[in-house]
Amino acid sequence: AQSVAQPEDQVNVAEGNPLTVKCTYSVSGNPYLFWYVQYPNRGLQFLLKYITGDNLVKGSYGFEAEFNKSQTSFHLKKPSALVSDSALYFCAVRDETGGSYIPTFGRGTSLIVHP
Amino acid sequence: DTGVSQDPRHKITKRGQNVTFRCDPISEHNRLYWYRQTLGQGPEFLTYFQNEAQLEKSRLLSDRFSAERPKGSFSTLEIQRTEQGDSAMYLCASSSSRPNPQGVTDHSYEQYFGPGTRLTVT
Repeated sequence: AQSVAQPEDQVNVAEGNPLTVKCTYSVSGNPYLFWYVQYPNRGLQFLLKYITGDNLVKGSYGFEAEFNKSQTSFHLKKPSALVSDSALYFCAVRDETGGSYIPTFGRGTSLIVHP
Repeated sequence: DTGVSQDPRHKITKRGQNVTFRCDPISEHNRLYWYRQTLGQGPEFLTYFQNEAQLEKSRLLSDRFSAERPKGSFSTLEIQRTEQGDSAMYLCASSSSRPNPQGVTDHSYEQYFGPGTRLTVT
C-alpha cells in the first residue's frame, strides 16, 4: 500500500523568506515522489519529481525538494518566496514495485505568501 | 501541442440527468487518467487507460459512472442519473514513458493535467 501525508493545511510566509512545504510518505518498495501546484480554478501543474540519484531535486519556478529516505520525507523548498507562489501544493507518491501506475495524492497545503 | 484539454469547463445539471465530459490528452501520451477533486482534498483516482484499454477502476467509480477511450486518443466520462454528491471538479491527466537523451527510459510517468470540468448538480 502507498500513502502520503501533508501535515500542514496552510503555510504562511513573508515574501523574500525561505519556504518549506512538508510531505511524508509510506510505500512498500522504492518511491517515485512528485510535487504539483494548483492555482485557483486550474488543473494541477507538475513541478518536480524524485526517481533515484541525488536527494536534492530541482524543478520549475525555483522550487526544489529534498528526498530523505530515513525520515520518509520529501519536503518542498524555495530559498526566496514570491507572492505569485501562493497556491495549493500537492505531494504524490507511487510505489515503483507496486505494479500500479496510479499515484496517491496528499490533501494539499495552501501556501500563502504575504507581501 | 498545447497540453491536456477538457470540455466543458463548467456544467450545471439537475439531479437525475446524465452528463458527459471529454478529455483530449497530450497527443503522444498513451496513458490517460480520470480523477475527482472536492474542496480541501487532493485528486481521487477514478479510472485509467493505457491506449484504448481501461486497466484500473477505483471503488469510487459506481455503476453510474462509465469511461471510454475508443481509439486510444480522447476519452469520455459519463455520469448517469447524477446525484448532488457528484458535484466536484473532474480532472483528466495524461502521461507517457520516454527515453532521456542518454536513451534511458523514465518509468515514473509524471502526469500532466487538464484544467478540469466543474460539475454542479442542483
